[in-house]
Amino acid sequence: GAGVSQTPSNKVTEKGKYVELRCDPISGHTALYWYRQSLGQGPEFLIYFQGTGAADDSGLPNDRFFAVRPEGSVSTLKIQRTERGDSAVYLCASSLGFGGLAGVGTQYFGPGTRLTVL
Amino acid sequence: TQLLEQSPQFLSIQEGENLTVYCNSSSVFSSLQWYRQEPGEGPVLLVTVVTGGEVKKLKRLTFQFGDARKDSSLHITAAQPGDTGLYLCAGVNFGNEKLTFGTGTRLTIIP
Repeated sequence: GAGVSQTPSNKVTEKGKYVELRCDPISGHTALYWYRQSLGQGPEFLIYFQGTGAADDSGLPNDRFFAVRPEGSVSTLKIQRTERGDSAVYLCASSLGFGGLAGVGTQYFGPGTRLTVL
Repeated sequence: TQLLEQSPQFLSIQEGENLTVYCNSSSVFSSLQWYRQEPGEGPVLLVTVVTGGEVKKLKRLTFQFGDARKDSSLHITAAQPGDTGLYLCAGVNFGNEKLTFGTGTRLTIIP
């Protein structure tokens, strides 16, 4: 079956513009995650959805960042008034949810969207 | 804030050599995962270790979780060019779905 897909693969925008990044999770996965990976670093958690609701949005850096998952499948990460510091690869992952003793279900990552803010 | 430091940050060795990558934290985790990431792709899960002192083997890769569940190591025997990539550890807290990733080790195996 298809894995997690993300569109666009690359996005170049100008400082101050609005951008939307899309994530299509694996069919049937109820949990969806967004991470941000800056150059040379490990991914950093942004937000986690269980179904349609944001279960944990503690990683969103400020109120310019917002994410939705209206039907419990596709998710969109929205960034307003982009800044050069927002440049990074934005990764999406999905899982079946709770992982028992391991504490987390296996997360399957998409290839990411590389955002460049000029 | 929980931090995971990986060492070394970069490692370049000849094919056939052995190597060890370390993942250290001052915090306790319920479990720890290791991922490998290749350019233009997302991280791919290699293993999850849950119990303090646990050792798991995946072919030439050996993963160990520290007794206190604060640190982990990845040992590769007889490295091959296909092992090249960014290796990431990630800590998990029970009841919390988010992953706390380490700083990463970029490994290059020279043929």
